[in-house]
Amino acid sequence: GAVVSQHPSWVICKSGTSVKIECRSLDFQATTMFWYRQFPKQSLMLMATSNEGSKATYEQGVEKDKFLINHASLTLSTLTVTSAHPEDSSFYICSATRTGGSYGYTFGSGTRLTVV
Amino acid sequence: KQEVTQIPAALSVPEGENLVLNCSFTDSAIYNLQWFRQDPGKGLTSLLLIQSSQREQTSGRLNASLDKSSGRSTLYIAASQPGDSATYLCAPGGTSYGKLTFGQGTILTVHP
Repeated sequence: GAVVSQHPSWVICKSGTSVKIECRSLDFQATTMFWYRQFPKQSLMLMATSNEGSKATYEQGVEKDKFLINHASLTLSTLTVTSAHPEDSSFYICSATRTGGSYGYTFGSGTRLTVV
Repeated sequence: KQEVTQIPAALSVPEGENLVLNCSFTDSAIYNLQWFRQDPGKGLTSLLLIQSSQREQTSGRLNASLDKSSGRSTLYIAASQPGDSATYLCAPGGTSYGKLTFGQGTILTVHP
């Protein structure tokens, strides 16, 4: 149990366009979802926390207008990278948990974004 | 602010060895602690979850201990195999929004 599906697994887009990444909890209701960014050979950096039906909470230094997060249902959260630029190229990973994390966290398989 | 340190940063061993990966964290007010593995270019796979009230958890060849008061956790891997090669991440979970803080990880290479 506790499976999180993340799509797409990789995407290449042109500079200035927007890209949407989906994160779905397949067999549980995710009260909270998280979005991380990972640079090569570095650990995960938390970008934002989203609770179903409310606005996301962004970490310091993360542009909320560039990284739009929507958590409209208990099984789906989306991250939209708006007006993407080459510096936004990175590995993005989502995770989901039930009820504050007491059951642990399940991660998606990640999305490799390349902006050209 | 929670800070997580993992030692060693990298480890290369021959197959069959028993391994110890260390994790220390600065804020002991954690909800739980989770160990993950990450293969190159992939997401994270959960290995073990230890609640703050527990001292250890075991799954197959893996055993993780938690000493919350001293801010330490240890992951033991018995009889290592080449398939264990990956980056291992320790992540204590705070009580605020339940978010995790990650260490830099230990890059493990097990060679035949």
